[in-house]
Amino acid sequence: GEDVEQSLFLSVREGDSSVINCTYTDSSSTYLYWYKQEPGAGLQLLTYIFSNMDMKQDQRLTVLLNKKDKHLSLRIADTQTGDSAIYFCAEMTKTSYDKVIFGPGTSLSVIP
Amino acid sequence: NAGVTQTPKFRVLKTGQSMTLLCAQDMNHEYMYWYRQDPGMGLRLIHYSVGEGTTAKGEVPDGYNVSRLKKQNFLLGLESAAPSQTSVYFCASMGESDTQYFGPGTRLTVL
Repeated sequence: GEDVEQSLFLSVREGDSSVINCTYTDSSSTYLYWYKQEPGAGLQLLTYIFSNMDMKQDQRLTVLLNKKDKHLSLRIADTQTGDSAIYFCAEMTKTSYDKVIFGPGTSLSVIP
Repeated sequence: NAGVTQTPKFRVLKTGQSMTLLCAQDMNHEYMYWYRQDPGMGLRLIHYSVGEGTTAKGEVPDGYNVSRLKKQNFLLGLESAAPSQTSVYFCASMGESDTQYFGPGTRLTVL
């Protein structure tokens, strides 16, 4: 079946890089997404990657996709206190092309 | 362009009461979704719609009903609220870009 997993918590110091990891089970993924949720707010799309790509970079964000291991990561360079939030990994698959499966979210805490 | 809006933002119900949550989008998106978010469980799909007049069950549909009478609106109904339905409810829509846009959420407490 479809399942997306993430570690629940990550703590980093301001200025360091953060790496948030995600694993998924459905190999028919078409898109993989990273969403950010700040306290009391909805989910905001940060970035996404097509399943035929290995890497995507967007300013401080780098997404790496290892299709063989079904592993997705989000690296945030020069992490700032404003990056403290919950980060959700999600996938869209061919078996459920009109649905997006979300992971449980990783709560990132940035220590000043 | 307001994106995805949800009303109300907060609501407290007593067990057995009914209510309807409204989601509206002004992006002409075909797909719309209702999720619930509970601590440590991420987002779970309740119901979704792939177009006006259509609805389908998601992962946790029991106790909820939906309607999509107009393309821009997706309503989520609770006929007889239970404490287990205390949660934060998010609506989302998706168009041809295959990315979902979320509303700000509705925080529901059932006593």
